[in-house]
Amino acid sequence: NAGVTQTPKFQVLKTGQSMTLQCAQDMNHEYMSWYRQDPGMGLRLIHYSVGAGITDQGEVPNGYNVSRSTTEDFPLRLLSAAPSQTSVYFCASNRQGGNTEAFFGQGTRLTVV
Amino acid sequence: GNSVTQMEGPVTLSEEAFLTINCTYTATGYPSLFWYVQYPGEGLQLLLKATKADDKGSNKGFEATYRKETTSFHLEKGSVQVSDSAVYFCALLANDYKLSFGAGTTVTVRA
Repeated sequence: NAGVTQTPKFQVLKTGQSMTLQCAQDMNHEYMSWYRQDPGMGLRLIHYSVGAGITDQGEVPNGYNVSRSTTEDFPLRLLSAAPSQTSVYFCASNRQGGNTEAFFGQGTRLTVV
Repeated sequence: GNSVTQMEGPVTLSEEAFLTINCTYTATGYPSLFWYVQYPGEGLQLLLKATKADDKGSNKGFEATYRKETTSFHLEKGSVQVSDSAVYFCALLANDYKLSFGAGTTVTVRA
């Protein structure tokens, strides 16, 4: 029972490099989202998707791109990494509905130097 | 917009002490309310939830009651254990299906 799987768990990038954080879920959830977690700021929504082919911006979308070609996968792309993107990133999924539980991946700790 | 405010930590307690973490919210409509817990090195897990006014969510000895009149969802546990050391997040889910989180409260329980 995999749930939400994120890779990699740790990553160090140089300023200007690009990379993709992978996220996959096996629960057939319609809704997927990416958050970043920074000390004292809780989790902030970067991008989300309500289904395959549909994505939208969250609270802090600048510097990140997403796509949703399948129900299962929701990768997050950093096109040109900046030190301000040093953070812990979490992917989450849930069924659509007003009271459904969100399931989170283990997180990716990203450091941009 | 929607927002969640929870008490700042860190909170340090002795084993068997009483724990309260305050959480208040601002939202349009009738949101669902959640407490998530994050153990060291892990992702967030749902601890408990309440979907309408006066509902009480409970799990693992933790409780929280949805108070619409005070827009609050305070988390309580009567006797904490070392294993309860974690970061606790209050969150709400409004009509747009997007979760809004509080800043998180770090709780450390000492033996």
